[in-house]
Amino acid sequence: AQSVTQPDIHITVSEGASLELRCNYSYGATPYLFWYVQSPGQGLQLLLKYFSGDTLVQGIKGFEAEFKRSQSSFNLRKPSVHWSDAAEYFCAVGGYNNNDMRFGAGTRLTVKP
Amino acid sequence: DGGITQSPKYLFRKEGQNVTLSCEQNLNHDAMYWYRQDPGQGLRLIYYSQIVNDFQKGDIAEGYSVSREKKESFPLTVTSAQKNPTAFYLCASSAGTGGSSAQHFGDGTRLSIL
Repeated sequence: AQSVTQPDIHITVSEGASLELRCNYSYGATPYLFWYVQSPGQGLQLLLKYFSGDTLVQGIKGFEAEFKRSQSSFNLRKPSVHWSDAAEYFCAVGGYNNNDMRFGAGTRLTVKP
Repeated sequence: DGGITQSPKYLFRKEGQNVTLSCEQNLNHDAMYWYRQDPGQGLRLIYYSQIVNDFQKGDIAEGYSVSREKKESFPLTVTSAQKNPTAFYLCASSAGTGGSSAQHFGDGTRLSIL
């Protein structure tokens, strides 16, 4: 079965600085990969997804992620963080069926003024 | 706007009581899911349904029950058998049942014990 690891529980960055959130997955085949964002007390919102093709995918809110098969990684990046980006971010990997989706434990992002 | 509506936003349960969490979607999605979220953990799948009148247990189904009588509705009952029900519950739906179908989430219900 597939699994996801987000090595960083909590990250703090200054507003305007660049951001990279790490995600490592384990899956035997080409994975379906997702990044979601969750604001406090709310549900998850899809930022971007990767299925195949170009390994650099663009998402909403200025986020992008790069799939690196050799490193089993799917890191999320943003060139310049805004205070409104403070939230929890979840990486997920989908299996053959959608009920096999596995979520990482999340990375909480704090943005300093 | 299409979306998923969960109600209530906050719910309190007494000992020995069953409570039901509502989930309604107007996205015309076939598949629906219930997840449990605990602090510092990812989402864990409780139940899922790929079609009306059919549902399957997820990883942590014990102490929970569901029904899927209508395509747009997938209520979750937390029974008295669930000894640690305090958590944030998220309902989701997807257009397809394959692994490539992104899931769309409601805003959750926070359940606490009185």
